[in-house]
Amino acid sequence: QVQLQESGPGLVKPSETLSLTCTVSGGSISGAHWNWIRQPAGKELEWIGHIHNEGTISYHPSLKNRVTMSVDRSNNQFSLKVSSVTAADTAVYFCARDPVDGHGHFDKWGRGTLVTVSS
Amino acid sequence: EIVLTQSPGTLSLSPGDRATLSCRASQTVNNDFFAWYQQKAGQPPRLLIYGPSNRAPGIPDRFSGSGSGTDFTLTISRLEPEDFAVYYCQQHQTSPLFTFTFGPGTKVDLK
Repeated sequence: QVQLQESGPGLVKPSETLSLTCTVSGGSISGAHWNWIRQPAGKELEWIGHIHNEGTISYHPSLKNRVTMSVDRSNNQFSLKVSSVTAADTAVYFCARDPVDGHGHFDKWGRGTLVTVSS
Repeated sequence: EIVLTQSPGTLSLSPGDRATLSCRASQTVNNDFFAWYQQKAGQPPRLLIYGPSNRAPGIPDRFSGSGSGTDFTLTISRLEPEDFAVYYCQQHQTSPLFTFTFGPGTKVDLK
């Protein structure tokens, strides 16, 4: 049973860089797209981007100038960095798997981690 | 970017009732790239339906999805107490933008 777990600082100062890691356990990081999705309190979900274990990356058009994703195959992890953060980046950040079965959906999710941007 | 609109915003029902949730897209969606999720407070979303009528593994058959093009429906045939939650629709497009978008959600609460 594949499980995902987010980790990283819960508080980031404005203008600094938010960094999160998702650890995949119970299965290989190969053969899927690994995604970051965020949800501000009381609001809808926003897809940030995804990375394939072979390095193919796509970012949300509105975030692509501030977002960087990477994958660490040896540790079954993938990471997110969002630069120049503002209060608008405060949200629960989820990592999620798209199994790439031709249906473009997310079948496994981490529990999410709250990141607050504040000085 | 395709925008998804869900209605109603809140649905107040009782256990045993039938729930019908709607999701409308601003442009035609690839039916294979459409899904529904359930989210409870403090939990991540759970995949219910994809493609747009396939139940995810472990999802009870009281949940069903239908629709095509710009109009999609999630039906819960008989509400169980654990079904009171927020439901989101989601689509994936590959051109002209490559992105995934979610609807604003429909909250199913206890009448």
